[in-house]
Amino acid sequence: DVKVTQSSRYLVKRTGEKVFLECVQDMDHENMFWYRQDPGLGLRLIYFSYDVKMKEKGDIPEGYSVSREKKERFSLILESASTNQTSMYLCASSYLQGGDQPQHFGDGTRLSIL
Amino acid sequence: GESVGLHLPTLSVQEGDNSIINCAYSNSASDYFIWYKQESGKGPQFIIDIRSNMDKRQGQRVTVLLNKTVKHLSLQIAATQPGDSAVYFCAENRRSTGRRALTFGSGTRLQVQP
Repeated sequence: DVKVTQSSRYLVKRTGEKVFLECVQDMDHENMFWYRQDPGLGLRLIYFSYDVKMKEKGDIPEGYSVSREKKERFSLILESASTNQTSMYLCASSYLQGGDQPQHFGDGTRLSIL
Repeated sequence: GESVGLHLPTLSVQEGDNSIINCAYSNSASDYFIWYKQESGKGPQFIIDIRSNMDKRQGQRVTVLLNKTVKHLSLQIAATQPGDSAVYFCAENRRSTGRRALTFGSGTRLQVQP
């Protein structure tokens, strides 16, 4: 089975802090994704990556950046955390093969910014 | 447990009945669709997918139907069980955007009454 592991289930940070959310997948997937999930809004794509050191903006990239130095690891960075970034963050991965492949998700990190 | 959506449409069914969850999509160029199940406190779990060259696909106790004429997708769950209680999301690959990431609906909560 595909395993997508997010380093923290719960995280509490303060406004203005730089926050790192880590995600690791063990299936040699080319694609990796970061979403945030908010009540009533579903999953919204923040950033994604098709290869090492490659990244593309999703629908809501403002206030976030990402890093993919190794194929298995995709990090989401909140440069200066704000209270409106309190949310559930979900990481996912998939094979490249034409792009039409299911994404496999981690169990999420619930981030609270105080 | 944690709620993934406070304002979701809810479908309530009796244990043993069949469930039908519906999803409308807007982009006629979408050519790949997925259904996910999300239980409280967990990430979305892949259920079944379908490509636009098909009308129907069956899995174990689940069937996905695709009606491209009216841009409608449905998930049928046979003999619904208490363990099926969750939030269900549909997702589409909007090919016309030139992006290979999925776009998710806001979800439907399924409640199974014993």
